[in-house]
Formats: sequence, structure tokens, C-alpha cells
Amino acid sequence: DGGITQSPKYLFRKEGQNVTLSCEQNLNHDAMYWYRQDPGQGLRLIYYSQIVNDFQKGDIAEGYSVSREKKESFPLTVTSAQKNPTAFYLCASSARGRAKNIQYFGAGTRLSVL
Amino acid sequence: QKEVEQNSGPLSVPEGAIASLNCTYSDRGSQSFFWYRQYSGKSPELIMSIYSNGDKEDGRFTAQLNKASQYVSLLIRDSQPSDSATYLCAVNDGTASKLTFGTGTRLQVTL
Repeated sequence: DGGITQSPKYLFRKEGQNVTLSCEQNLNHDAMYWYRQDPGQGLRLIYYSQIVNDFQKGDIAEGYSVSREKKESFPLTVTSAQKNPTAFYLCASSARGRAKNIQYFGAGTRLSVL
Repeated sequence: QKEVEQNSGPLSVPEGAIASLNCTYSDRGSQSFFWYRQYSGKSPELIMSIYSNGDKEDGRFTAQLNKASQYVSLLIRDSQPSDSATYLCAVNDGTASKLTFGTGTRLQVTL
């Protein structure tokens, strides 16, 4: 099945700990994105990547880091510098061409602080 | 700052009625417009995309775009309880692959 796989589904972070959220896609999409969603809020862009080995900060990049070493993978690290990490994290991807702006989402990772 | 505005709701409609969801955006250069449905605790799923002025129909859903007035709407005909969800409006300005999302409108379809 083609799609976007996020893991884990639930994640708990201890004080001062870095945690990494996984996002893998087999849709052959060039662009990938990370969003954060807080209760009752819309999606806010953390980082995005339009091509391998390149990525840009979104609106709320502070306290987060990413890498894009492979087309299929775009992991997000929530660092200890992110003081309020509790949220629902969504990974998305999109293709080039006319449909390039249609973003498809993974199932999400729910991060909580212990 | 590019903005996308939606009424948070809840919008309550009886089963079988038409639900009308609205969205306004600030960037006149916006090129692509999307409606996503998000059930509680789940990720957004694409319902409609629209790129030019006018109406686009897909089953019970109709997206309407008016670039001059900078609004996009979603009509859901014959609303069903399974349509109860939050509907997110998203806009792209055409210069990058980023989307700006509204905060969503919660729709409740009552029996």
C-alpha cells in the first residue's frame, strides 16, 4: 500500500530529553512537511523539504531539527530546547506538477511530556 | 503574515440538510485551495481541491471559489452524521509548496 507512515503513534518525553519522530513515505513524493497541531488549533508548519539534502524552517522551527538524507524519509527531532512539546505532530508529503500542492498526511504522532 | 480565517463553530445542521462552510484568505496571490476533513484524534484527509473561480462538484461536496472576494466555501449536501468532523481550509500562494491552514470549523450533523 502506498502511503505515509509515522511512528511511533504515541511518544513520551522526559525533561531534558531529545526525541525523534519518524516519517516514511512510499509515494515517490519530492516534498515533505512537519506540522504541529495543538488542541482546537489549526496546523502550524515546523519544517519542510522540497528535495533531498535541503530543508527550510517553517513558522515555528525553534526547538526542532530535521534531516532529509533520503527521498523517502524526513525525521523530526524535538530537542530539549522545545519547552512545550506536547502536541499532535503530523507529517505530510506532496508531488511535483499540477498536483504539487496537494499534501497527504500520515496518521500522526501524539507527543506528551512525563 | 498570510492568514486564513474560518469560523470555529460548532456549526450544527440536521441530517439531510445542506452544510455551508466558509473560509477567507488574506493573500491575493493565492493559487490553490483545499478542504480537508479531520475526525477527532485523526489526521486530516483531503476532500476537495479547487484552483479557478467557480464551483467544483464531487459527489455530495461542492467547493466554491471567488478570488475577487477572497473566499472559498464548501457545501455538503444531504449531510450525514458521519460528516461530523472539523473541516480545515488550506491555501497555497503558488510560489512555494507551503500551505497555510485555517483553524477549522467543527461541523455537527444532528439526527
